[in-house]
Amino acid sequence: GQNIDQPTEMTATEGAIVQINCTYQTSGFNGLFWYQQHAGEAPTFLSYNVLDGLEEKGRFSSFLSRSKGYSYLLLKELQMKDSASYLCAVDQAGTALIFGKGTTLSVSS
Amino acid sequence: DSGVTQTPKHLITATGQRVTLRCSPRSGDLSVYWYQQSLDQGLQFLIHYYNGEERAKGNILERFSAQQFPDLHSELNLSSLELGDSALYFCASSPTSGGGTDTQYFGPGTRLTVL
Repeated sequence: GQNIDQPTEMTATEGAIVQINCTYQTSGFNGLFWYQQHAGEAPTFLSYNVLDGLEEKGRFSSFLSRSKGYSYLLLKELQMKDSASYLCAVDQAGTALIFGKGTTLSVSS
Repeated sequence: DSGVTQTPKHLITATGQRVTLRCSPRSGDLSVYWYQQSLDQGLQFLIHYYNGEERAKGNILERFSAQQFPDLHSELNLSSLELGDSALYFCASSPTSGGGTDTQYFGPGTRLTVL
């Protein structure tokens, strides 16, 4: 079977750092993606990890541990516009992405 | 703007009806993917086409079908609609046949409401 788990909701304040965790159990693994989705809009690509370790891209970083089936997305210097859903997705078999249900992040001032 | 276009943006119809959703991929992309997003299920993969041929099927109902045309645009046909089919339908495209760093870019979606 396949299972991708993320917290449902998180809250944080402007300027803070937040870490969104994702654990996965899938029958195959070709890589892990993080997408951001504002309400009613399209998911937009944030990051991709295939090897263990940290990938840094501006205020956003993503970490992967394949042996532990674990990833996290780290958001620094939070801004109000970062309020959105963050979707963890596993490329299981080189075609479709298997998505978690997403973590809704609320950033307050 | 991802470069992926979808029409229509909104669609309201009645149970039992049939609708067609249209997607044009980014210029140069050969793969098109269809996803359904409902409040309780999250994004669910429906089907993947690469260069006109079906590559993979997910949780797509028999009442649903899709195709990719020679100009690479794709259509998703939903028939005998039920209330539970109300959802956001997203199309995504990627440059090659999928996998690895072949990132999927999503269109703005079609919101289907079945009354």
